[in-house]
Amino acid sequence: ETGVTQSPTHLIKTRGQQVTLRCSSQSGHNTVSWYQQALGQGPQFIFQYYREEENGRGNFPPRFSGLQFPNYSSELNVNALELDDSALYLCASSSVPGVAFFGQGTRLTVV
Amino acid sequence: AQRVTQPEKLLSVFKGAPVELKCNYSYSGSPELFWYVQYSRQRLQLLLRHISRESIKGFTADLNKGETSFHLKKPFAQEEDSAMYYCALKVDDKIIFGKGTRLHILP
Repeated sequence: ETGVTQSPTHLIKTRGQQVTLRCSSQSGHNTVSWYQQALGQGPQFIFQYYREEENGRGNFPPRFSGLQFPNYSSELNVNALELDDSALYLCASSSVPGVAFFGQGTRLTVV
Repeated sequence: AQRVTQPEKLLSVFKGAPVELKCNYSYSGSPELFWYVQYSRQRLQLLLRHISRESIKGFTADLNKGETSFHLKKPFAQEEDSAMYYCALKVDDKIIFGKGTRLHILP
Protein backbone atom coordinates (compact mmCIF):
# COMPACT_ATOMS: atom_id res chain seq x y z
CA GLU A 1 0.00 0.00 0.00
CA THR A 2 1.46 3.36 -0.98
CA GLY A 3 0.59 6.70 0.57
CA VAL A 4 -0.41 9.95 -1.08
CA THR A 5 2.41 11.46 -3.10
CA GLN A 6 2.58 14.94 -4.62
CA SER A 7 4.85 16.46 -7.21
CA PRO A 8 6.76 18.63 -7.41
CA THR A 9 7.72 19.39 -3.81
CA HIS A 10 8.71 22.97 -4.57
CA LEU A 11 7.94 25.29 -7.45
CA ILE A 12 8.64 28.91 -8.34
CA LYS A 13 6.47 30.64 -10.94
CA THR A 14 6.07 34.15 -12.25
CA ARG A 15 2.87 36.15 -11.83
CA GLY A 16 0.51 35.51 -14.76
CA GLN A 17 1.86 32.04 -15.50
CA GLN A 18 -0.02 28.78 -15.21
CA VAL A 19 0.88 25.84 -12.97
CA THR A 20 -0.09 22.18 -12.70
CA LEU A 21 0.36 20.24 -9.49
CA ARG A 22 0.02 16.47 -9.36
CA CYS A 23 -1.19 13.99 -6.78
CA SER A 24 -1.18 10.23 -6.62
CA SER A 25 -3.91 8.88 -4.31
CA GLN A 26 -3.52 6.19 -1.73
CA SER A 27 -4.34 2.77 -3.09
CA GLY A 28 -8.07 2.02 -2.92
CA HIS A 29 -9.16 5.63 -2.40
CA ASN A 30 -11.63 7.03 -4.94
CA THR A 31 -11.96 10.55 -3.52
CA VAL A 32 -9.32 13.24 -3.75
CA SER A 33 -9.45 16.76 -2.35
CA TRP A 34 -7.12 19.75 -2.65
CA TYR A 35 -6.32 22.37 -0.04
CA GLN A 36 -4.41 25.64 0.03
CA GLN A 37 -2.48 26.41 3.19
CA ALA A 38 -1.11 29.90 3.57
CA LEU A 39 1.55 30.59 6.18
CA GLY A 40 0.10 30.50 9.70
CA GLN A 41 -3.31 29.33 8.51
CA GLY A 42 -5.15 26.04 8.46
CA PRO A 43 -5.72 24.21 5.18
CA GLN A 44 -8.50 25.78 3.07
CA PHE A 45 -10.65 23.51 0.94
CA ILE A 46 -10.33 24.16 -2.81
CA PHE A 47 -12.33 21.30 -4.33
CA GLN A 48 -12.95 17.57 -4.24
CA TYR A 49 -13.29 14.87 -6.88
CA TYR A 50 -15.11 11.59 -6.59
CA ARG A 51 -14.77 9.08 -9.42
CA GLU A 52 -13.55 11.75 -11.85
CA GLU A 53 -16.38 14.23 -11.10
CA GLU A 54 -16.07 17.40 -9.05
CA ASN A 55 -18.45 17.00 -6.11
CA GLY A 56 -17.57 19.93 -3.87
CA ARG A 57 -15.89 23.30 -4.20
CA GLY A 58 -14.68 25.90 -1.77
CA ASN A 59 -14.51 29.65 -2.17
CA PHE A 60 -11.88 29.76 -4.94
CA PRO A 61 -12.16 31.45 -8.35
CA PRO A 62 -12.59 29.47 -11.59
CA ARG A 63 -8.90 29.88 -12.46
CA PHE A 64 -8.41 27.06 -9.95
CA SER A 65 -9.43 23.89 -11.74
CA GLY A 66 -8.78 20.21 -11.41
CA LEU A 67 -8.97 16.76 -12.89
CA GLN A 68 -9.20 13.26 -11.55
CA PHE A 69 -8.09 10.37 -13.72
CA PRO A 70 -9.43 6.78 -13.94
CA ASN A 71 -6.60 5.59 -11.68
CA TYR A 72 -7.80 8.25 -9.15
CA SER A 73 -4.66 10.35 -9.47
CA SER A 74 -5.37 14.06 -9.72
CA GLU A 75 -4.16 17.43 -10.96
CA LEU A 76 -4.67 20.94 -9.68
CA ASN A 77 -4.31 23.67 -12.29
CA VAL A 78 -4.05 27.34 -11.50
CA ASN A 79 -4.17 29.91 -14.30
CA ALA A 80 -3.09 33.55 -14.25
CA LEU A 81 -1.07 33.13 -11.08
CA GLU A 82 -1.19 35.92 -8.52
CA LEU A 83 1.27 36.69 -5.75
CA ASP A 84 -1.35 35.64 -3.16
CA ASP A 85 -1.42 32.15 -4.66
CA SER A 86 1.91 31.51 -2.95
CA ALA A 87 1.14 28.77 -0.44
CA LEU A 88 1.50 25.10 0.40
CA TYR A 89 -0.91 23.03 -1.68
CA LEU A 90 -2.06 19.81 -0.08
CA CYS A 91 -3.71 16.85 -1.69
CA ALA A 92 -5.66 14.31 0.35
CA SER A 93 -7.33 11.07 -0.61
CA SER A 94 -10.02 9.21 1.25
CA SER A 95 -12.43 6.31 1.12
CA VAL A 96 -14.38 7.43 4.20
CA PRO A 97 -15.78 11.01 4.18
CA GLY A 98 -13.79 13.25 6.50
CA VAL A 99 -11.00 10.75 7.03
CA ALA A 100 -8.33 12.23 4.80
CA PHE A 101 -4.83 10.96 4.10
CA PHE A 102 -2.60 13.85 3.16
CA GLY A 103 0.38 14.17 0.89
CA GLN A 104 3.48 16.08 1.89
CA GLY A 105 2.40 19.11 -0.11
CA THR A 106 3.77 21.29 -2.92
CA ARG A 107 5.24 24.63 -1.90
CA LEU A 108 4.35 27.15 -4.63
CA THR A 109 6.05 30.53 -4.70
CA VAL A 110 4.78 33.17 -7.12
CA VAL A 111 7.17 36.03 -7.82
CA ALA B 1 -21.68 30.33 8.09
CA GLN B 2 -19.74 27.23 8.98
CA ARG B 3 -16.62 27.99 10.93
CA VAL B 4 -14.04 26.35 13.19
CA THR B 5 -12.30 28.47 15.79
CA GLN B 6 -9.16 27.55 17.67
CA PRO B 7 -8.56 30.50 19.98
CA GLU B 8 -4.95 29.68 20.92
CA LYS B 9 -2.13 29.94 18.37
CA LEU B 10 0.36 28.55 20.84
CA LEU B 11 -0.04 26.50 23.99
CA SER B 12 2.94 25.70 26.19
CA VAL B 13 2.50 22.97 28.80
CA PHE B 14 4.97 21.27 31.12
CA LYS B 15 5.62 17.57 30.65
CA GLY B 16 3.27 15.59 32.87
CA ALA B 17 0.71 18.42 33.11
CA PRO B 18 -2.80 18.16 31.62
CA VAL B 19 -3.41 19.44 28.11
CA GLU B 20 -6.56 21.01 26.70
CA LEU B 21 -6.66 22.35 23.15
CA LYS B 22 -9.81 24.36 22.56
CA CYS B 23 -12.03 24.12 19.51
CA ASN B 24 -15.39 25.76 18.88
CA TYR B 25 -17.50 25.35 15.79
CA SER B 26 -20.37 27.06 14.07
CA TYR B 27 -22.71 24.79 12.10
CA SER B 28 -26.49 24.55 11.95
CA GLY B 29 -26.57 20.87 11.03
CA SER B 30 -25.46 17.76 12.89
CA PRO B 31 -21.69 18.20 13.23
CA GLU B 32 -19.04 15.67 12.43
CA LEU B 33 -15.74 16.74 13.97
CA PHE B 34 -12.13 15.65 13.77
CA TRP B 35 -8.72 16.47 15.17
CA TYR B 36 -5.76 16.35 12.81
CA VAL B 37 -2.12 16.58 13.91
CA GLN B 38 1.11 17.49 12.18
CA TYR B 39 4.35 16.48 13.87
CA SER B 40 7.59 18.17 12.88
CA ARG B 41 8.65 17.24 9.32
CA GLN B 42 5.68 14.89 8.91
CA ARG B 43 2.50 15.21 6.92
CA LEU B 44 -0.88 16.14 8.33
CA GLN B 45 -2.66 13.08 9.73
CA LEU B 46 -5.92 12.21 11.42
CA LEU B 47 -5.69 11.96 15.20
CA LEU B 48 -9.28 11.17 16.10
CA ARG B 49 -12.91 11.65 15.08
CA HIS B 50 -15.78 12.26 17.45
CA ILE B 51 -18.05 9.51 16.15
CA SER B 52 -15.44 6.89 17.03
CA ARG B 53 -15.35 8.00 20.66
CA GLU B 54 -11.85 6.61 20.92
CA SER B 55 -8.67 7.55 22.73
CA ILE B 56 -5.60 7.90 20.54
CA LYS B 57 -2.14 8.41 22.06
CA GLY B 58 -3.93 9.25 25.31
CA PHE B 59 -5.97 12.05 23.69
CA THR B 60 -9.75 12.25 23.90
CA ALA B 61 -12.26 14.78 22.62
CA ASP B 62 -15.92 15.09 23.54
CA LEU B 63 -18.48 16.85 21.42
CA ASN B 64 -20.50 19.35 23.45
CA LYS B 65 -23.38 20.50 21.27
CA GLY B 66 -24.64 22.96 23.87
CA GLU B 67 -21.34 24.80 23.93
CA THR B 68 -20.56 23.95 20.27
CA SER B 69 -17.16 22.75 21.37
CA PHE B 70 -14.87 19.80 20.65
CA HIS B 71 -11.90 20.33 22.94
CA LEU B 72 -8.95 17.93 22.79
CA LYS B 73 -7.65 16.69 26.13
CA LYS B 74 -4.87 14.58 27.54
CA PRO B 75 -4.31 14.08 31.28
CA PHE B 76 -0.50 13.94 31.21
CA ALA B 77 1.48 15.64 28.45
CA GLN B 78 4.48 13.91 26.89
CA GLU B 79 7.33 15.53 24.97
CA GLU B 80 6.35 13.68 21.81
CA ASP B 81 2.97 15.47 21.86
CA SER B 82 4.65 18.65 20.62
CA ALA B 83 3.03 19.32 17.26
CA MET B 84 0.53 21.45 15.35
CA TYR B 85 -3.08 20.46 16.03
CA TYR B 86 -6.02 21.30 13.77
CA CYS B 87 -9.67 20.93 14.62
CA ALA B 88 -11.85 20.18 11.58
CA LEU B 89 -15.55 20.09 10.75
CA LYS B 90 -17.06 18.04 7.94
CA VAL B 91 -19.70 19.99 6.02
CA ASP B 92 -21.33 18.09 3.15
CA ASP B 93 -18.33 16.80 1.21
CA LYS B 94 -15.73 19.24 2.41
CA ILE B 95 -13.62 19.60 5.54
CA ILE B 96 -13.26 22.99 7.17
CA PHE B 97 -10.12 23.39 9.26
CA GLY B 98 -9.37 25.77 12.07
CA LYS B 99 -6.18 27.82 12.00
CA GLY B 100 -4.43 25.40 14.30
CA THR B 101 -2.79 25.46 17.71
CA ARG B 102 0.89 24.75 18.20
CA LEU B 103 1.37 22.63 21.30
CA HIS B 104 4.80 22.97 22.88
CA ILE B 105 5.65 20.57 25.70
CA LEU B 106 8.22 21.98 28.09
CA PRO B 107 10.66 19.56 29.74
